[in-house]
Amino acid sequence: GAGVSQTPSNKVTEKGKYVELRCDPISGHTALYWYRQSLGQGPEFLIYFQGTGAADDSGLPNDRFFAVRPEGSVSTLKIQRTERGDSAVYLCASSLERGPLRRDEQFFGPGTRLTVL
Amino acid sequence: GQQVMQIPQYQHVQEGEDFTTYCNSSTTLSNIQWYKQRPGGHPVFLIQLVKSGEVKKQKRLTFQFGEAKKNSSLHITATQTTDVGTYFCAGTHNTNAGKSTFGDGTTLTVKP
Repeated sequence: GAGVSQTPSNKVTEKGKYVELRCDPISGHTALYWYRQSLGQGPEFLIYFQGTGAADDSGLPNDRFFAVRPEGSVSTLKIQRTERGDSAVYLCASSLERGPLRRDEQFFGPGTRLTVL
Repeated sequence: GQQVMQIPQYQHVQEGEDFTTYCNSSTTLSNIQWYKQRPGGHPVFLIQLVKSGEVKKQKRLTFQFGEAKKNSSLHITATQTTDVGTYFCAGTHNTNAGKSTFGDGTTLTVKP
């Protein structure tokens, strides 16, 4: 079946611009996660959705970052007034999430490489 | 905050040699997951450990979860060139059930 997809695969923008990154999770997966990964580092947690609601947004670095998942499926990560330090690969993952403390495997998408000039 | 440390950062081995990577958390974990990321790829789930002292095997890979649920290890026996990549552990803490904290990974290269 189809895996997690992310668009665009690459995004180059100028400092100060607004960007939107899209994630299509695996059908039926209720949990959705956003991470960002810089070269040589592990994925850094940004936000976690259970259904339509953001269950944990403690990883968002500041108020320039915002994410939505209005219908409990597709999610969009929005970054306002981009800065050069925002350049990274933004990864989305989804999982079945059966129960509050049960962590099923996360299926990652291919990522969006964001470059802020 | 909650941290997960992984060592070593890099490991170079000759094909056929064994490999081990270690993961340590500053606080008790509810579970730990291991992922593999090939160069240019995305993380792919390998396994999840939940119980104190748990040991799981997948062919040449052995995963352990410490008794105190604060550390874990991945051991590969007789490495092959197909094992190259970066291995990440990701811990979930009881107080933050939805959030995974990833280590910075161990990058394995295998010389044929």
